[in-house]
Amino acid sequence: AQTVTQSQPEMSVQEAETVTLSCTYDTSESDYYLFWYKQPPSRQMILVIRQEAYKQQNATENRFSVNFQKAAKSFSLKISDSQLGDAAMYFCVHFGNEKLTFGTGTRLTIIP
Amino acid sequence: ETGVTQSPTHLIKTRGQQVTLRCSSQSGHNTVSWYQQALGQGPQFIFQYYREEENGRGNFPPRFSGLQFPNYSSELNVNALELDDSALYLCASSLTDPGDEQFFGPGTRLTVL
Repeated sequence: AQTVTQSQPEMSVQEAETVTLSCTYDTSESDYYLFWYKQPPSRQMILVIRQEAYKQQNATENRFSVNFQKAAKSFSLKISDSQLGDAAMYFCVHFGNEKLTFGTGTRLTIIP
Repeated sequence: ETGVTQSPTHLIKTRGQQVTLRCSSQSGHNTVSWYQQALGQGPQFIFQYYREEENGRGNFPPRFSGLQFPNYSSELNVNALELDDSALYLCASSLTDPGDEQFFGPGTRLTVL
């Protein structure tokens, strides 16, 4: 069984600053994917970034990057140059054995 | 290319009733998954359909069932509703390959009284 733990229920960051959201997971799969999804107040969930577990190189998407530590089963998200539109609930997600397992989420507030 | 849509937006039912929620996937997406998101929680995987067959299921009882149709639409049916079934129900569609991005609909808010 897979579990995903997000230990920070809420985070806040000053606009233009950098923030890191933490995530750890446990999995019995040897082949899996990890994601960060974002759910803005309007509810529609959208993909932020994706990491294949077999790749050692950390994924980056513009201002978003991850620190993937496979041995430690850690997958943190760094948001650089935070913008007001980044305010949302962020979910760390594990995909394996044909299903997604979500963490409990971190609510990110951007301070103008 | 249209996004994923769900209907209805909101629904109120009473305990013991049955409900059907609908989802229209993105064209070309053969996989659809359904999730239950209780207030303040992360989504919980209910089940996944690929080419009209269920090919994965989470820890939900058999009174949660689904259908997927060739026209990229799908349904989630819940029988014998319980108060704890009150939640946001999300559907998400994706291409076939494992780990593909899932495209989520806006959800249906179900309230069971």
